[in-house]
Amino acid sequence: GENVEQHPSTLSVQEGDSAVIKCTYSDSASNYFPWYKQELGKGPQLIIDIRSNVGEKKDQRIAVTLNKTAKHFSLHITETQPEDSAVYFCAPRGAGNMLTFGGGTRLMVKP
Amino acid sequence: NAGVTQTPKFQVLKTGQSMTLQCAQDMNHEYMSWYRQDPGMGLRLIHYSVGAGITDQGEVPNGYNVSRSTTEDFPLRLLSAAPSQTSVYFCASRTGLFYEQYFGPGTRLTVT
Repeated sequence: GENVEQHPSTLSVQEGDSAVIKCTYSDSASNYFPWYKQELGKGPQLIIDIRSNVGEKKDQRIAVTLNKTAKHFSLHITETQPEDSAVYFCAPRGAGNMLTFGGGTRLMVKP
Repeated sequence: NAGVTQTPKFQVLKTGQSMTLQCAQDMNHEYMSWYRQDPGMGLRLIHYSVGAGITDQGEVPNGYNVSRSTTEDFPLRLLSAAPSQTSVYFCASRTGLFYEQYFGPGTRLTVT
């Protein structure tokens, strides 16, 4: 099966700073790369995704970049706000057609 | 649209008891899945279904049964609960065309 690792496991930033979370995966057949945000007591919610034929995608303050050769993709959040505080998961879709979730990154944005 | 709903929100079981976690969606999604979330381990796939009458095992299926008699419902059954099944359980659904999964609010299960 797919091995997925996220780094860092916790990240603390000052409000207004940028945050970057990296996800590495093992299955070279992976072709879909989403990031989910989970707020306390809730289920995960998709915030951005990218397909394997695209290197970067941006949606307002968040962006995802993909390096298929190195088998990693990253979540970038600019101008962080307190409401960005949550746990973020990457979940690449491998050859088995299912998502494999990383262990999560707890982001804390200090006002 | 209510989206994906799960009941109950909380449940405490004794070892050996059985129970069913309910999941329903009103978006006419073909795909439905059950995940468990343990601290520091992300979400792990238990069982999934690609349509009514079709189910398959995920990464951690032991101790759980599922069935899919309708498009809307996908219950998860614990036949004989064990402390190792203490976890938060999430149900999710998606269409066959797009990969975005919609998650329910979760069921927190404690087995003593």
